[in-house]
Amino acid sequence: AQTVTQSQPEMSVQEAETVTLSCTYDTSESNYYLFWYKQPPSRQMILVIRQEAYKQQNATENRFSVNFQKAAKSFSLKISDSQLGDTAMYFCAFIPTGTASKLTFGTGTRLQVTL
Amino acid sequence: KAGVTQTPRYLIKTRGQQVTLSCSPISGHRSVSWYQQTPGQGLQFLFEYFSETQRNKGNFPGRFSGRQFSNSRSEMNVSTLELGDSALYLCASSLATGSYNEQFFGPGTRLTVL
Repeated sequence: AQTVTQSQPEMSVQEAETVTLSCTYDTSESNYYLFWYKQPPSRQMILVIRQEAYKQQNATENRFSVNFQKAAKSFSLKISDSQLGDTAMYFCAFIPTGTASKLTFGTGTRLQVTL
Repeated sequence: KAGVTQTPRYLIKTRGQQVTLSCSPISGHRSVSWYQQTPGQGLQFLFEYFSETQRNKGNFPGRFSGRQFSNSRSEMNVSTLELGDSALYLCASSLATGSYNEQFFGPGTRLTVL
């Protein structure tokens, strides 16, 4: 069984600053995908960024980047130039490579971006 | 292209009743997964349907069931509701089953059990 741990229940960052959200996971799988999802107060969950475990290069999507440390089973999300619209719950999620679509989520980090 | 839609958005039921929630996937998507989101347990996988067949099931009692129709729309049913079933129920659709397919989430149905 896989587990995903997000140790920061809440974080706050000022607009234009950089913030890093932490995520660790535990699995015996060698191939898998890791995700960061954003759930704004409107509740619709959207994919922020995806990382394939066999790729050593860290994924980047505009202001969002990850630091993927496979040996340490760590997958942190860095948000640069934070914007008010980044205020949301952020969930780290895991799925082993294969034919299933079952995502395992962490407990989430509530990020507040302030002026 | 329209996103994933879920109906109803809000629902209030009493203990012992049953409820049916509906999810319409993005056009062309054939896989639908359901998740339960609660403050205490977080996001938990309920089940996945692909081509009208249940492909995976999470660790939920048999009161939770689902089905998928030929047009890929999916319903989930909860019978004999308990207070602990109060939650946000999210569905997600993807082109096909499999970890490489991105899942797109709907806005959710907020179920309150009194």
